[in-house]
Amino acid sequence: DIQMTQSPSSLSASVGDRVTITCQASQDISNYLNWYQQKPGKAPKLLIYDASNLETGVPSRFSGSGSGTDFTFTISSLQPEDIATYYCQQYDNLPQTFGQGTKLEIK
Amino acid sequence: EVQLVESGGGLVQPGRSLRLSCTASGFTFGDYAMSWVRQAPGKGLEWVGFIRSKAYGGTTEYAASVKGRFTISRDDSKSIAYLQMNSLKTEDTAVYYCTRDPGSGSYVYWGQGTLVTVSS
Repeated sequence: DIQMTQSPSSLSASVGDRVTITCQASQDISNYLNWYQQKPGKAPKLLIYDASNLETGVPSRFSGSGSGTDFTFTISSLQPEDIATYYCQQYDNLPQTFGQGTKLEIK
Repeated sequence: EVQLVESGGGLVQPGRSLRLSCTASGFTFGDYAMSWVRQAPGKGLEWVGFIRSKAYGGTTEYAASVKGRFTISRDDSKSIAYLQMNSLKTEDTAVYYCTRDPGSGSYVYWGQGTLVTVSS
């Protein structure tokens, strides 16, 4: 199975800060990488697909980059409503696997 | 509007069985694969498995942790996907989500989730 190592596991930042989360795959997954946002008690929401494509309706402050084994997710200016847990997911190989999540809090 | 509604969760003893349903609306159900993803309390997301559309043989794939115990099926006439869970273990306790799978693994549409608690 492909292991997805996400870091950090938790992050505290101030409104307006630039926030970056990284995800490393245990093998080359090309660009088959998604990013999800999950708020407490809710289903995950797809933000970024194919590593760098913004899902329809998602604010442009969210972005993703990378290919191969190293990926980055960025919030350019943190907003209060961005408080959530973020997950990366690879779908290059079965089983699809998720990172362990990054819990984002407001400082 | 695409909607997915899971049902069938609840409290079940270890070793027993439970069947979850995912009722879909707002799209042509038979055109899509359907996946199940679970989340143990306070933990991350785990892909459980999926069923392809009939056009792709209606075949299934499973995570190793559930293979041989869980079975995914579909009834396209009713727009329902099922997750039959047998020989349940305490570690199967989780919220179970169904998702519409466009074939790319990018899950845009999710149900609200249904909680399965395996405990004696």
